[in-house]
Amino acid sequence: GAVVSQHPSRVICKSGTSVKIECRSLDFQATTMFWYRQFPKQSLMLMATSNEGSKATYEQGVEKDKFLINHASLTLSTLTVTSAHPEDSSFYICSARDPGIGGVSEQFFGPGTRLTVL
Amino acid sequence: QKEVEQNSGPLSVPEGAIASLNCTYSDRVSQSFFWYRQYSGKSPELIMSIYSNGDKEDGRFTAQLNKASQYVSLLIRDSQPSDSATYLCAVTGTYKYIFGTGTRLKVLA
Repeated sequence: GAVVSQHPSRVICKSGTSVKIECRSLDFQATTMFWYRQFPKQSLMLMATSNEGSKATYEQGVEKDKFLINHASLTLSTLTVTSAHPEDSSFYICSARDPGIGGVSEQFFGPGTRLTVL
Repeated sequence: QKEVEQNSGPLSVPEGAIASLNCTYSDRVSQSFFWYRQYSGKSPELIMSIYSNGDKEDGRFTAQLNKASQYVSLLIRDSQPSDSATYLCAVTGTYKYIFGTGTRLKVLA
């Protein structure tokens, strides 16, 4: 399957700081990338859909000013958690949609970023 | 009603047995269906995709789709302890994937 990288894999920061997470599709161009959050023993929660060259679409209840998403190229999307607080501590996972062949697309996940806010 | 429903489990099967994981979905216009495996502390990994009614086999995995019943399943033959994980069912909506909450599978050695 297609490869999606994510960096950093783990980050610990102080409350009030901002953290940027990068998501890259390594062997395909992804016009659409997705950002998820997952708390321990809970299911994936879609935060936003990132489209190359346009504004991200945020899910209900997700603050767009707190979770800034930029999809500047077909292979890179970034999520910035601004003014992070301990309740933002979670596992953040990006995914990218591979357009595939014949219009059928599959979604591949990055390895995730574990954020701990002290 | 949730859009994609899965039994949370845990589903326990002995090593070598067939594990059967089920998923139902509510949107009749859904076109694409996926099974992901997620180990604890890791991100989901795509293991099967299926788009048309019937069975699709890949190694020890078989996905089954019945659009009339809005049902998709995953069979794992000759289950191994390394198959112990949470299995997520995903269904495409208008532009995004809708995930179920996952079924936790335990394969007992």
